[in-house]
Amino acid sequence: SQELEQSPQSLIVQEGKNLTINCTSSKTLYGLYWYKQKYGEGLIFLMMLQKGGEEKSHEKITAKLDEKKQQSSLHITASQPSHAGIYLCGADRYNNNDMRFGAGTRLTVKP
Amino acid sequence: DGGITQSPKYLFRKEGQNVTLSCEQNLNHDAMYWYRQDPGQGLRLIYYSQIVNDFQKGDIAEGYSVSREKKESFPLTVTSAQKNPTAFYLCASSMGWGSNQPQHFGDGTRLSIL
Repeated sequence: SQELEQSPQSLIVQEGKNLTINCTSSKTLYGLYWYKQKYGEGLIFLMMLQKGGEEKSHEKITAKLDEKKQQSSLHITASQPSHAGIYLCGADRYNNNDMRFGAGTRLTVKP
Repeated sequence: DGGITQSPKYLFRKEGQNVTLSCEQNLNHDAMYWYRQDPGQGLRLIYYSQIVNDFQKGDIAEGYSVSREKKESFPLTVTSAQKNPTAFYLCASSMGWGSNQPQHFGDGTRLSIL
C-alpha cells in the first residue's frame, strides 16, 4: 500500500475552473513536497512545506499543510491547459531527505 | 544553466544484457538518487548516494548496481538479474542529505525490453 495516498487519481476540469488535489499520510510528515510531471518527462519542483499550518503560493497554485502535518492540499485557481499533467506529492518521513511519493493525480484541463 | 542530464532518453535491453543509464549534474549537489516509476505507481527508490564513493540501497535495489566515483556522476546499471526492467527511470539530486532540500530531477530514461 502507498504510504502517501493522493486523491483523486485523475481529474478532468474545464478551463477556468478551480480544483483541489489531496495528499494524506498516516504518519507525521517532516517535509511535504509537491511536484508536477508531464508525461514522459522528469519532475518539476513546485513547493515545499515544513511547518504545520503552512501555506505557500506560486502563481495560481496554492499548497497547504495541515496543523497535524499529516495532510496537504494543492489548489489551482482558474485552471489553464498549461496546468495539465501529473501532480505528485513527496514526503520526507524522517527529516533526512528519505523521500516517499504518492502515486500521482493526473490532471486534464479542457479548453 | 545548472541541471541534471540523463541519457539516453530511450534504451532497449536484450535478454541477458546489462545496460547502463547515465546521470550527470552540475548543481554541485552532494546527494544523488535513482528512482523507478511504473504506471499508476509512485516513484520507488533504487539507490542513493550521500557523498562520493558512498552509496546505499533503497527499497528495490535487487538487480541494479551503481557507482559514485565523481560528485557529478551517478550511473545506474540494470543487470540481467533484474527480471522486470521495463520502466521509466529518474535520477535526482539534492544539496544535502538531512537538510530538507528539495530533490531536483532529470528528464528520465525509458527502458524497454526487446
